[in-house]
Amino acid sequence: QITLEESGPTLVKPTQTLTLTCTFSGFSLSSDGVGVAWVRQPPGKTLEWLALIYSNDEKRYNPSLESRLTITRVTSKDQVLLIMTNMDPVDTGTYYCVHDGPFGEPEGFDFWGQGAMVTVSP
Amino acid sequence: DIVMTQSPDSLAVSLGERATINCKSGQSVLDNSKDKNYLAWYQQKAGQPPKLLIYWASTRASGVPDRFSGSGSETDFTLTISSLQAGDVAVYYCQQYSSFPFTFGQGTKLEIK
Repeated sequence: QITLEESGPTLVKPTQTLTLTCTFSGFSLSSDGVGVAWVRQPPGKTLEWLALIYSNDEKRYNPSLESRLTITRVTSKDQVLLIMTNMDPVDTGTYYCVHDGPFGEPEGFDFWGQGAMVTVSP
Repeated sequence: DIVMTQSPDSLAVSLGERATINCKSGQSVLDNSKDKNYLAWYQQKAGQPPKLLIYWASTRASGVPDRFSGSGSETDFTLTISSLQAGDVAVYYCQQYSSFPFTFGQGTKLEIK
């Protein structure tokens, strides 16, 4: 059974750096040929894909935000981190951690965390 | 970026009737080498994360009722709910995962008439 859970601050100030943690279980990011992605959703709006890390450590970013994003994994803890710098109120929304797989013949985002609501406000 | 455009933006359908949602991509999402369209449909109920319904444009995800079906190829896709149930009230999104950045449609809100 695959599960993912997001954790991190619920409130950050403008210009601060946000660090979100995705803790997952039910698969291995080291050997299973899969990926973990981050997707966000501003209140009342559509979904936006942010970043993706594969089991071979290949990383992909949304070009619109690439300069502000870092995705990395903590293999020993089955975790993936998303770091977003220079936060702005427009970054307010729910941030989802999702499972993507299998590499080479992807089947969409089949498992989602419950999401972490992040508010950016002075 | 591949722009995904859904129609309509909202839809009201009577219980037991058919609901149809369309999705158009700005360029083909067909992988000719594998003959697969990298197009997914998600259902998002209020206060919940999205749930994968359909991948490869027409393959139902595990546990998804067969009243949900997907069709289409290259740039034009359709999600059909054959007999609407009360629990199907949600916002539906299409997504292409053919090329980076992955992109989503704006969403279609489905309600009961």
